[in-house]
Amino acid sequence: QQKVQQSPESLSVPEGGMASFNCTSSDRNFQYFWWYRQHSGEGPKALMSIFSDGDKKEGRFTAHLNKASLHVSLHIRDSQPSDSALYFCAASEDLNVGDNSKLIWGLGTSLVVNP
Amino acid sequence: EAAVTQSPRSKVAVTGGKVTLSCHQTNNHDYMYWYRQDTGHGLRLIHYSYVADSTEKGDIPDGYKASRPSQENFSLILELASLSQTAVYFCASSDAGDSYEQYFGPGTRLTVL
Repeated sequence: QQKVQQSPESLSVPEGGMASFNCTSSDRNFQYFWWYRQHSGEGPKALMSIFSDGDKKEGRFTAHLNKASLHVSLHIRDSQPSDSALYFCAASEDLNVGDNSKLIWGLGTSLVVNP
Repeated sequence: EAAVTQSPRSKVAVTGGKVTLSCHQTNNHDYMYWYRQDTGHGLRLIHYSYVADSTEKGDIPDGYKASRPSQENFSLILELASLSQTAVYFCASSDAGDSYEQYFGPGTRLTVL
C-alpha cells in the first residue's frame, strides 16, 4: 500500500485560476512534509516544506498541514502555464541521519494550466 | 544555486551488460541519493549515502550497487543490466544546512535492450 497517497491524479485549471493538491499519509510517524514540482524532462525541484500544523505561504503557493488527520495540501493561486508540471508530496519520519530520514514519495498529480 | 550533474544523460545498454551512472554535486552536501522513476511508481529510492566511502540500501536495492568515493561523487552500478531496469534515474543531494531539501540532477534515461 502506498504510504503517501496523492489526489487527484490529474488536474486542469484555467490561467489565473486556483490549483489544489491533496496528500494523505497512512503512517502517523510522518512528521515532515515537502512539495516538489517536476517539469517535463527535468528533475524534481522543491517548492516548499511544512513541518508544523497550519498554513505556510510562499508567494503564490500555500501549504496546509493537519497532522491529526495526516493530511497536507498545496494551493497555487493565479496559476500560470509555466506551473504545468507533475507535483509530488513527500514525507519523512525524521530529519536526522538514519533510515527514518528517507523521503517517502507519492505518485504525483499532473497539472495542466490552460492559457 | 545548488548544482547536481549526471552523466550520461541517456544510455542504451544490452541485457547482461554493465552500466555505470555517475553523479557529481557542488553543493558541499553530505547526503546523496539515487532514485528511479517509472510511470505509475513515482520516485523510488535505490541507494543513499550520508558520508564518503559509505552507502546504504534504499527501498529497491536489488540489482544495483552504489559507490561514494568522495563527498562530491556518487555512482550507481548495474552489474548485469536487465530489461526491468529501463527507467529514468535521478541523483539528488541534501544537507541539514539547506533544510534537508533534496536537490536533483537532470536525470539519466536508461534503456536496456
